[in-house]
Amino acid sequence: GAGVSQTPSNKVTEKGKYVELRCDPISGHTALYWYRQSLGQGPEFLIYFQGTGAADDSGLPNDRFFAVRPEGSVSTLKIQRTERGDSAVYLCASSLGRGLYNEQFFGPGTRLTVL
Amino acid sequence: SQQGEEDPQALSIQEGENATMNCSYKTSINNLQWYRQNSGRGLVHLILIRSNEREKHSGRLRVTLDTSKKSSSLLITASRAADTASYFCLPQGAQKLVFGQGTRLTINP
Repeated sequence: GAGVSQTPSNKVTEKGKYVELRCDPISGHTALYWYRQSLGQGPEFLIYFQGTGAADDSGLPNDRFFAVRPEGSVSTLKIQRTERGDSAVYLCASSLGRGLYNEQFFGPGTRLTVL
Repeated sequence: SQQGEEDPQALSIQEGENATMNCSYKTSINNLQWYRQNSGRGLVHLILIRSNEREKHSGRLRVTLDTSKKSSSLLITASRAADTASYFCLPQGAQKLVFGQGTRLTINP
């Protein structure tokens, strides 16, 4: 497709379970970002990839969160031992690079609910 | 981190009126971007203004940037119901990208 896609669109899980969220960026975009957004708040930065490497993971809240981008395209955000506080919409964005003038293209998000 | 702070937090106007929202930031930037978000899902890029630009237009959108005051404004002219959304600014510099809480714009018919 032409845009950023994220799967699943909705995920309901139980406290303590493991979840994986997937992001397919726009073809050719080398930069990929993960954010999470709680109701009424702006997106909160989690991690940024340039190619296959995590250039900035300072936004990951703790070691239960991990993300990979093994081939420099698709990325997976992994959350271990989920907690109710992890419930949020997880947004992925991609851009041509992290140059000065690169706009970010966002996916529709994955709504994660931890019961 | 480099965070944009939008003001007001909420704005409600009649269809056809103009809507103005503001963004302030604290450190130097290379550019500033405005995004729109409908229904809490993905954000849509609206416009980017570079640090050496003072004003930019795109359709019914007009963005200004005052680097001396570290502020930007987004003007939407002749508002429509479809403009109802949250609007975020994203100042881009060397620091980590941080969105503010946004301005929630409601256009009343």
